[in-house]
Amino acid sequence: DGGITQSPKYLFRKEGQNVTLSCEQNLNHDAMYWYRQDPGQGLRLIYYSQIVNDFQKGDIAEGYSVSREKKESFPLTVTSAQKNPTAFYLCASSNGVPDPNQPQHFGDGTRLSIL
Amino acid sequence: KQEVTQIPAALSVPEGENLVLNCSFTDSAIYNLQWFRQDPGKGLTSLLLIQSSQREQTSGRLNASLDKSSGRSTLYIAASQPGDSATYLCAVLCRDDKIIFGKGTRLHILP
Repeated sequence: DGGITQSPKYLFRKEGQNVTLSCEQNLNHDAMYWYRQDPGQGLRLIYYSQIVNDFQKGDIAEGYSVSREKKESFPLTVTSAQKNPTAFYLCASSNGVPDPNQPQHFGDGTRLSIL
Repeated sequence: KQEVTQIPAALSVPEGENLVLNCSFTDSAIYNLQWFRQDPGKGLTSLLLIQSSQREQTSGRLNASLDKSSGRSTLYIAASQPGDSATYLCAVLCRDDKIIFGKGTRLHILP
């Protein structure tokens, strides 16, 4: 079955530590997205990528970094500069603007907590 | 800047009732609008997608409408069931390829 796989499901970070969240998709989608979800805040866009080797900042990119070296992978690194990283992180993919009638697909999320 | 608002934030209704969830957006220059369901601690499941040129989409007991000129969408759920309890989110795909979400409506169907 095609889909999006996020790992790990739960992740703990120590102060001053960088951590990387994995997102892999086998849907052959061009566009991939990272969102952060906080209680009462809804989903906020961190970074998105429309094609390989290209990505753009979303609304809350500070303290995060991404790479898009392969079409199927879009890892998110939460750096020590992100002072409030505790949240639920969701990865998504879609065919993007060239095919806007295709829905966005989501992974099951990674819950990041600070030790 | 696109903003998406969902009203109400929470809703409890008895089983069997029909209900309407509302979504509004400030910039009508969108490619599509999508309704999602989210169960606690889980990712999002796409329910319905309405292209900007469409007025509504239906899937089973769900019907979503779109009035792009007024910046509004509704999700109609017929004959609600306890299994419909979840958070429902709407999102718009904007011309700059960003997808902007509302904060969601938490729905509780009372058995």
